[in-house]
Amino acid sequence: EAQVTQNPRYLITVTGKKLTVTCSQNMNHEYMSWYRQDPGLGLRQIYYSMNVEVTDKGDVPEGYKVSRKEKRNFPLILESPSPNQTSLYFCASSSVGRLYNEQFFGPGTRLTVL
Amino acid sequence: DAKTTQPPSMDCAEGRAANLPCNHSTISGNEYVYWYRQIHSQGPQYIIHGLKNNETNEMASLIITEDRKSSTLILPHATLRDTAVYYCIVRPSIYNQGGKLIFGQGTELSVKP
Repeated sequence: EAQVTQNPRYLITVTGKKLTVTCSQNMNHEYMSWYRQDPGLGLRQIYYSMNVEVTDKGDVPEGYKVSRKEKRNFPLILESPSPNQTSLYFCASSSVGRLYNEQFFGPGTRLTVL
Repeated sequence: DAKTTQPPSMDCAEGRAANLPCNHSTISGNEYVYWYRQIHSQGPQYIIHGLKNNETNEMASLIITEDRKSSTLILPHATLRDTAVYYCIVRPSIYNQGGKLIFGQGTELSVKP
């Protein structure tokens, strides 16, 4: 089944404790992206990657890092989480072979930073 | 990207057609209209997209006006599982602006028995 998976789905952590949220897709997509969703602010893009070893900042990259060493994986790293990073996070992927593409989203990771 | 305007909420009776409007009066010639939905904090789900012709797939139909300033998403026979927030998004190809989708506030559709 074609899908985007995220782990963990739920995480409660404390300020300053490094964490990684994994994202993996099995559709051989070149493009992957991370969003966060907050009440009243909608979904905002954090980082994106057009292909392996190619990453770039989205609208809200502060406090986050990403890497794209393999095509299927795009982990989101919070080196020193803070309470304002409490949010619902979504990973998405898509092919770039055509001009118009649908993006496939993962199930989400609900992060709470105390 | 063009700004979109949608009603904040709508109700629909189960089994009836749900017609969700979207205004995008500033759309430019190379921008597509996309519809996504989000069911209760799950990941957004792609529904349909179009440029200027009407489109239909297994989920829905998309009607775009001739001047492209507005569109309507039609769910022909709404079920309770169609209760969700529906987002109308206008953007050019993925190569622009990091491929991001700009989700507005959307329309919260409630399908009632």
